[in-house]
Amino acid sequence: SYVLTQPPSVSVAPGKTASITCGGDNIGLKNVHWYQQKSGQAPVQVISYDTDRPSAIPKRISGFNAGNTATLTISGAEAGDEADYYCQVWDSSRDQVVFGGGTKLTVL
Amino acid sequence: QLQLQESGPGLVKPSETLSLTCTVSGGSISSILDYWGWIRQPPGKGLEWIGSIYSSGSAFYNPSLRSRVTVSVDTSRNQFSLKMTSVTAADTAMYFCARHGGYCSGGTCFYPSGEFDSWGQGSLVTVSS
Repeated sequence: SYVLTQPPSVSVAPGKTASITCGGDNIGLKNVHWYQQKSGQAPVQVISYDTDRPSAIPKRISGFNAGNTATLTISGAEAGDEADYYCQVWDSSRDQVVFGGGTKLTVL
Repeated sequence: QLQLQESGPGLVKPSETLSLTCTVSGGSISSILDYWGWIRQPPGKGLEWIGSIYSSGSAFYNPSLRSRVTVSVDTSRNQFSLKMTSVTAADTAMYFCARHGGYCSGGTCFYPSGEFDSWGQGSLVTVSS
């Protein structure tokens, strides 16, 4: 089955840029969706279809997808960005949704 | 604004059936552009997709859970439901329902390949005797 690989943790200093990667075989050929989950809360969609951002999500959150890696970038990191982030794709070969293992973002 | 709310027992005995319902408000479950999905998250772990259903009743399931799971839809009540049989402690998790975007064309959808754009707050289900 299709596997999405995320680093377990990423740290960033306040005001700096954090990049969270999501690796998969030719993931650039798939549509990647990203979710933010703060402690004790339900996930919230932050990026869909690689780069699309819902209106409520700040512009400093962006996505990119090419080759074997999709990347979620958070610019000007704030304490409020501390959360778990998950990538997700549709595996058309098995007709199933696949989630990455999640990345815990810490703003130091 | 679309809202989803899970409901069901918080405690299920091993080998029994887990049943949850998701009530949709602020929108119609009969929307021609949407699937409706279930996702779970064991304590301290990541997200796992369970299955998604279209208003017509067409459903897709996680292959690893397919033999034990049924997702159904009740358009008259604007609800969809999850049944999972033969549960074990490994099924203890927070269960979320969500609207799930699909690949749609010509007024119908073919598979739930999109994003989960609205989520319920979750329902914690513990499997224990």
